[in-house]
Amino acid sequence: GENVEQHPSTLSVQEGDSAVIKCTYSDSASNYFPWYKQELGKGPQLIIDIRSNVGEKKDQRIAVTLNKTAKHFSLHITETQPEDSAVYFCAARDNYGQNFVFGPGTRLSVLP
Amino acid sequence: GAGVSQSPRYKVAKRGQDVALRCDPISGHVSLFWYQQALGQGPEFLTYFQNEAQLDKSGLPSDRFFAERPEGSVSTLKIQRTQQEDSAVYLCASSLSSGGGETQYFGPGTRLLVL
Repeated sequence: GENVEQHPSTLSVQEGDSAVIKCTYSDSASNYFPWYKQELGKGPQLIIDIRSNVGEKKDQRIAVTLNKTAKHFSLHITETQPEDSAVYFCAARDNYGQNFVFGPGTRLSVLP
Repeated sequence: GAGVSQSPRYKVAKRGQDVALRCDPISGHVSLFWYQQALGQGPEFLTYFQNEAQLDKSGLPSDRFFAERPEGSVSTLKIQRTQQEDSAVYLCASSLSSGGGETQYFGPGTRLLVL
């Protein structure tokens, strides 16, 4: 089955700097890759997603890139703000299943 | 509009007790998912419903775990004879349809602590 790895596990950046989180997946059949942000005591919230027919997607300060050949995808956050501090999860889903396989998460701290 | 709601938000159980966790999906959402999230880890899939049909229960860790969605709306996850290793956050998610790539919307979770 699908296996998703995520790096780094923790990331500290200064306010205003960029943050990059990288994920790899194992199943070449996976075709949908969402990113979720989880704040303490809350459920995961979708922040951006990408499908396998697209190489890059951007939404204001957040962007995701996908390299299908290498089977990896990355989250880019520019001009980070303290409210970006949270745990971020990547996930993958193939065309046959319905559930997501999540990475282990990255704890992002944005220092003022 | 209202999102996914879960109750209770916190549950403390003595080992051996049965617990029932409730999920109210977004109105009209066909698909419903249960995930288990251990401390410091990503959510792990438990089971999936399309309307009232449980199409995938491959993630349920043992036969002590049982889920139902009898009318295709509210779902209940039941854990019998709870064990300490069952302590985790149980997340429910729903999506509008069963099509590929549909966004899953998560509830706040139920934090279960088994003593």
